[in-house]
Amino acid sequence: RKEVEQDPGPFNVPEGATVAFNCTYSNSASQSFFWYRQDCRKEPKLLMSVYSSGNEDGRFTAQLNRASQYISLLIRDSKLSDSATYLCVVTPGGGSYIPTFGRGTSLIVHP
Amino acid sequence: DGGITQSPKYLFRKEGQNVTLSCEQNLNHDAMYWYRQDPGQGLRLIYYSQIVNDFQKGDIAEGYSVSREKKESFPLTVTSAQKNPTAFYLCASQMPGGPETQYFGPGTRLLVL
Repeated sequence: RKEVEQDPGPFNVPEGATVAFNCTYSNSASQSFFWYRQDCRKEPKLLMSVYSSGNEDGRFTAQLNRASQYISLLIRDSKLSDSATYLCVVTPGGGSYIPTFGRGTSLIVHP
Repeated sequence: DGGITQSPKYLFRKEGQNVTLSCEQNLNHDAMYWYRQDPGQGLRLIYYSQIVNDFQKGDIAEGYSVSREKKESFPLTVTSAQKNPTAFYLCASQMPGGPETQYFGPGTRLLVL
């Protein structure tokens, strides 16, 4: 079983739609969780951290479900500029800060 | 402006040649990482260093070597032993102990002639 799993997509949605991605992780002791955004042929950039209480930043909402070992990212009112690959990142904790990256979920927002 | 730089942006390697990818950061971060990304794939860890003069192998270290003589610099050498080096190489830095966010350089795309 892969440590961090994501549906690769692509998710193809019209502008204005709401779209949600999930990411599952296998290590129940994982400590920190992040969503990164990666544009085509560019480096990943931090989108948001995921806290136990959830995290909202404008149109983006991230949530953590420790019992079921998954994190989610919800994008409301999708924009064309949201088209990218979204990477789920999990850090194991226990003194280790080396993150594990999911393969990413591709989002295409069309007019 | 603080950040991470990588050079060159594109690099061409001939058969049997060693090439070195540069990574420099002025964020004063202790930890630095090298990743490889293949098309449609996630990031795979090649090497990491949590402090100057120390580094550890990642998941796919074979055919690669690194050095960490300065806090700011973490160059990666792709040796001739790496038989399939064509990929997008990303360098990242991080401040251990939090926040655990990684900051990435713009990447180097390595192609084999």
